[in-house]
Amino acid sequence: QKEVEQNSGPLSVPEGAIASLNCTYSDRGSQSFFWYRQYSGKSPELIMFIYSNGDKEDGRFTAQLNKASQYVSLLIRDSQPSDSATYLCAVRFQGAQKLVFGQGTRLTINP
Amino acid sequence: DGGITQSPKYLFRKEGQNVTLSCEQNLNHDAMYWYRQDPGQGLRLIYYSQIVNDFQKGDIAEGYSVSREKKESFPLTVTSAQKNPTAFYLCASKGTGLVETQYFGPGTRLLVL
Repeated sequence: QKEVEQNSGPLSVPEGAIASLNCTYSDRGSQSFFWYRQYSGKSPELIMFIYSNGDKEDGRFTAQLNKASQYVSLLIRDSQPSDSATYLCAVRFQGAQKLVFGQGTRLTINP
Repeated sequence: DGGITQSPKYLFRKEGQNVTLSCEQNLNHDAMYWYRQDPGQGLRLIYYSQIVNDFQKGDIAEGYSVSREKKESFPLTVTSAQKNPTAFYLCASKGTGLVETQYFGPGTRLLVL
């Protein structure tokens, strides 16, 4: 069974600090990796995707991928209360046409 | 205005009743997906379709049915065989390109009376 694991949290971070969210996956041959943000009662919205080893930056967000260790992380710099949400990690496994989602990490930014 | 629409926003089902959730997209995407989300949980795949007139079961297809007669539309029917249908239902479509990202509609919340 191909799996994606996230710490469900809640993760509590003070405003202005760096929030670090982690995700591990079971298939070493996985192709691409996605981070979605989901506010309570709303649908997920795509924040970033990454498919090459290393870091990818977009504004305050940085995705980090380490295929050898089979983990992907999301860093949020200068955290704002509006970043409080559940963050879902999704992985497209090798040869698959569908995504497998982790259970999500609930993040709370404290003013 | 391109995007994915789902209707209704809320749906109430009586015992033994089949209900159909609508999903429409005008993004010209070939692939469409239905997910179920229970409180505090991630997304579980119900059905997906990569092309018109073709669809595959996901991880939790029992008690659900779909059709894909048009590229733009992928309705989901929750049948009376689904004994615990209360959940948040999300439709998604997938673009093409180097990395094929999925985009979600606003969701339908199904409640049992």
